[in-house]
Amino acid sequence: AQSVTQLGSHVSVSEGALVLLRCNYSSSVPPYLFWYVQYPNQGLQLLLKYTSAATLVKGINGFEAEFKKSETSFHLTKPSAHMSDAAEYFCAVRSNAGGTSYGKLTFGQGTILTVHP
Amino acid sequence: EAGVTQFPSHSVIEKGQTVTLRCDPISGHDNLYWYRRVMGKEIKFLLHFVKESKQDESGMPNNRFLAERTGGTYSTLKVQPAELEDSGVYFCASSQGFQPQHFGDGTRLSIL
Repeated sequence: AQSVTQLGSHVSVSEGALVLLRCNYSSSVPPYLFWYVQYPNQGLQLLLKYTSAATLVKGINGFEAEFKKSETSFHLTKPSAHMSDAAEYFCAVRSNAGGTSYGKLTFGQGTILTVHP
Repeated sequence: EAGVTQFPSHSVIEKGQTVTLRCDPISGHDNLYWYRRVMGKEIKFLLHFVKESKQDESGMPNNRFLAERTGGTYSTLKVQPAELEDSGVYFCASSQGFQPQHFGDGTRLSIL
């Protein structure tokens, strides 16, 4: 079974500061990993994905994440926060094994990012 | 290209009533997924269609929920009869093959 843990349901940073959102996963097979962002009253938007190629993945809006197998982590970072980054962020895992449940995403609890001026 | 469209955006009904949610996936996407987020909880998988067939319905909570995807295009999710614990945001997503899923804006369902 797969699971995802996001450490910290709320993270607050100042504008221009580093953003670090933590995600740890559990999977019995090499996973595909994703970060999605949800802005108020909108759906989930894909930020970036890891699919077993490069371990450092660059996404949209200046975000990136590093896959660390030894730590079972896929933390999301951005060097300098902007006010427009305020949103809820979700880490998700999908099995790349076969079987009937190959497609479903398992999500973490979500992390609400607040950016202060 | 049009994204995933969900209707209605909000629905408020009384316990015991019936509600039908609709999802129009991105054109050409064979995979269609339903997820639900109950307040304070994580987003949870409900089921997965490949074209018109149910590939995985392991997340459906009980037999009060019925999902269909006639013709392999749009999908409906019916809740009958609705209970208080069914309140939440219902998301639909679609994808082609193993590409990442694209999500709709969700339907916020409130059961009174």
